Amino acid sequence: RKEVEQDPGPFNVPEGATVAFNCTYSNSASQSFFWYRQDCRKEPKLLMSVYSSGNEDGRFTAQLNRASQYISLLIRDSKLSDSATYLCVVTVGDYGGSQGNLIFGKGTKLSVKP
Amino acid sequence: GAVVSQHPSWVICKSGTSVKIECRSLDFQATTMFWYRQFPKQSLMLMATSNEGSKATYEQGVEKDKFLINHASLTLSTLTVTSAHPEDSSFYICSASLTSFSEQFFGPGTRLTVL
Repeated sequence: RKEVEQDPGPFNVPEGATVAFNCTYSNSASQSFFWYRQDCRKEPKLLMSVYSSGNEDGRFTAQLNRASQYISLLIRDSKLSDSATYLCVVTVGDYGGSQGNLIFGKGTKLSVKP
Repeated sequence: GAVVSQHPSWVICKSGTSVKIECRSLDFQATTMFWYRQFPKQSLMLMATSNEGSKATYEQGVEKDKFLINHASLTLSTLTVTSAHPEDSSFYICSASLTSFSEQFFGPGTRLTVL
């Protein structure tokens, strides 16, 4: 079983649509959770951290369910510029530390069409 | 956010040659740098973690004698792929962080193609 699993994509949606990505992780000791976005042939960029209480950043809402080991990302009113691959990332232990390396999912590709 | 550069951005080489990739933190001092590899349609996989002035810590399955990492200064880490083979063709991405517990900032990646 892979450590971080995501929806298989691609997701093709029209502008203005609401789209949700799901992610599950296998290690119950995971402590930090993130969503990154990666444009084609580019480096990943941090989109947002995910907190147990859920958090929102503009059109983006992230949720974490530790009991189910499940993370979600909701994008409302999607824009053409949202087209990218969205990566679910977890760490075990302190973020970025030698015992908290980032573990990436394969990503879900989103394509927003006019 | 902080800026991390990589050089070269792409490289094509013959099988058996060695390739050096540089990772630089441009506006901060990076105590820790990480090297990742991403094959097509696959996730980024951590290869090794290096702390300035120390030997790198390699992930299971990554040959330390094949992927030489040097982190001699707080702004520069290098990855040398020795005796590269076609199966080493991949997208190599570094990241740098202020401390081993800080946010990682990613470089733009280096696309290696071994013929």
